[in-house]
Amino acid sequence: GQNIDQPTEMTATEGAIVQINCTYQTSGFNGLFWYQQHAGEAPTFLSYNVLDGLEEKGRFSSFLSRSKGYSYLLLKELQMKDSASYLCAVSNANAGKSTFGDGTTLTVKP
Amino acid sequence: GAVVSQHPSWVICKSGTSVKIECRSLDFQATTMFWYRQFPKQSLMLMATSNEGSKATYEQGVEKDKFLINHASLTLSTLTVTSAHPEDSSFYICSARGLAGGPQNTQYFGPGTRLTVL
Repeated sequence: GQNIDQPTEMTATEGAIVQINCTYQTSGFNGLFWYQQHAGEAPTFLSYNVLDGLEEKGRFSSFLSRSKGYSYLLLKELQMKDSASYLCAVSNANAGKSTFGDGTTLTVKP
Repeated sequence: GAVVSQHPSWVICKSGTSVKIECRSLDFQATTMFWYRQFPKQSLMLMATSNEGSKATYEQGVEKDKFLINHASLTLSTLTVTSAHPEDSSFYICSARGLAGGPQNTQYFGPGTRLTVL
């Protein structure tokens, strides 16, 4: 099976930087995804890591360490609209599907 | 690219009726589609995985006779909630995976269907 752990809630200030961590245990690792989900809406794709290292995409960056079973999503220059739930998902080649974490609810305050 | 649509976006029905939800990949061929359910302030719960042309694989605890899934083409999957009851009221979200031009294995989500059973 797969276990995915991420903090339940985080709070940060507008303009600041926040890091959302995700740890996982899996067999047949085939990539890690981050999704953003605003309340009442479906998730939207943010990033994908399959090799170790940092992937940067604008204000968002995602890091992966396969040996540690660890990833983080880094959000810079936080905006109020970044308040949402951030889902970490691990793809399992053996199962042919991804397992989603419970999500981290980020609240950005003025 | 990688757009997934769902129809309807919301539906209200009477207890005992059946509701069909459509999920379409608009600009790519989805070899695999997933159906999720999400209750308020809870995490996504995978209901089933469907591959085009074959029977869906249901997660443990999901009744296959109640939640009928058909994946007849590479761009369309349907979920039918049969004999719906108030406890089936939820947010149903599909996602599609295929050769969308993005990273492999990426799931792209539809906008979701909010079902209310009276």
